[in-house]
Amino acid sequence: AQTVTQSQPEMSVQEAETVTLSCTYDTSESDYYLFWYKQPPSRQMILVIRQEAYKQQNATENRFSVNFQKAAKSFSLKISDSQLGDAAMYFCAYRSAKAGGTSYGKLTFGQGTILTVHP
Amino acid sequence: EPEVTQTPSHQVTQMGQEVILRCVPISNHLYFYWYRQILGQKVEFLVSFYNNEISEKSEIFDDQFSVERPDGSNFTLKIRSTKLEDSAMYFCASSPISGGYGYTFGSGTRLTVV
Repeated sequence: AQTVTQSQPEMSVQEAETVTLSCTYDTSESDYYLFWYKQPPSRQMILVIRQEAYKQQNATENRFSVNFQKAAKSFSLKISDSQLGDAAMYFCAYRSAKAGGTSYGKLTFGQGTILTVHP
Repeated sequence: EPEVTQTPSHQVTQMGQEVILRCVPISNHLYFYWYRQILGQKVEFLVSFYNNEISEKSEIFDDQFSVERPDGSNFTLKIRSTKLEDSAMYFCASSPISGGYGYTFGSGTRLTVV
């Protein structure tokens, strides 16, 4: 079974600075997807960024980028120019790409990292 | 942008009562899911549903739980005989059949069992 680990329960950053949130995962599969979700105090789950494992290029979405290290099974999220609105719980998640398999579609989440942004 | 709609946003129920949580997935999505998040903890998979049947369920999803897509648009989670430990945020999500899309999650139903 796949597992996702976020070793940083809490992180903080000054407004306009850069912060990196860590995530590692364990899987025996070669084809999968990785995601970062943001959960603000409203508790809505918002997709921030996704990465296909077969792509070597790291995904980027505006101020958000990832450092995907497949061999190391590491998937960190970098937030540049942090804003007060970035304050939230961030979850890393794994999804198998195996169509029709028993775990197809299921997301496995890490424990989450609470990000605080200081003005 | 298409949304997944969940109702109610908050439900309070007495222990032992049955509750039904409702969801309207995005219309062209074919996979549907329920997840649970106990306050302060991680999000846990409950069940996935495709082609009018359960495709996968977790060990949490025991006989107390059931899902249904009664009319082609709604997707419901029923919890029979609720327990105090069922108090959590319940998220519905939907996904296209293929591709590495992240889900679209609903805004959740906060269930409080008293």
